[in-house]
Amino acid sequence: TQLLEQSPQFLSIQEGENLTVYCNSSSVFSSLQWYRQEPGEGPVLLVTVVTGGEVKKLKRLTFQFGDARKDSSLHITAAQPGDTGLYLCAGMTQGGSEKLVFGKGTKLTVNP
Amino acid sequence: EPEVTQTPSHQVTQMGQEVILRCVPISNHLYFYWYRQILGQKVEFLVSFYNNEISEKSEIFDDQFSVERPDGSNFTLKIRSTKLEDSAMYFCASSPRRRRHTEAFFGQGTRLTVV
Repeated sequence: TQLLEQSPQFLSIQEGENLTVYCNSSSVFSSLQWYRQEPGEGPVLLVTVVTGGEVKKLKRLTFQFGDARKDSSLHITAAQPGDTGLYLCAGMTQGGSEKLVFGKGTKLTVNP
Repeated sequence: EPEVTQTPSHQVTQMGQEVILRCVPISNHLYFYWYRQILGQKVEFLVSFYNNEISEKSEIFDDQFSVERPDGSNFTLKIRSTKLEDSAMYFCASSPRRRRHTEAFFGQGTRLTVV
């Protein structure tokens, strides 16, 4: 059973601070996706990382896929209150499976 | 921007009743999925559907569940006889084509409450 562990589970910071959240597994994934989910809504895709060591930037968000494709991180620079939300990582398993395995998420609160 | 749409947004049903959750995937997408999220828990895979048949299903997706693509646009999830533990958010998702790293785009979800 593939598991994705996200840390921290909760994070509360002040506007302007930087933060990093982590997504770790003992399994190798063919790709990894980051989503953001608001309460009562569906996950919204932020980025997909595919290659080990890959780094992608989305404005103030930087995503990295580990060299071994077992872990990933999301770094936010100069966080803003609009960044508040639940950040989910989801890995696509190897071996031809089409399903995504989700982590429990990191609930981020950015205080003004 | 194209999006996955789901109806209804909220469904309340009595235990033992049948429910049908409806989804309209993004129009040029080929792969379709149902996921669910019990309150406070992870998003869990239920089933994937491609070329008018189930391509993969999880242990959760037992005989009480079925999926159908009755026409060119709708994708439905039927729960034959609902149980209290079926209460959850159900998300439909679609992917543009069958390739290893394809992204899944999710709908807003249907909140199913079984009473």
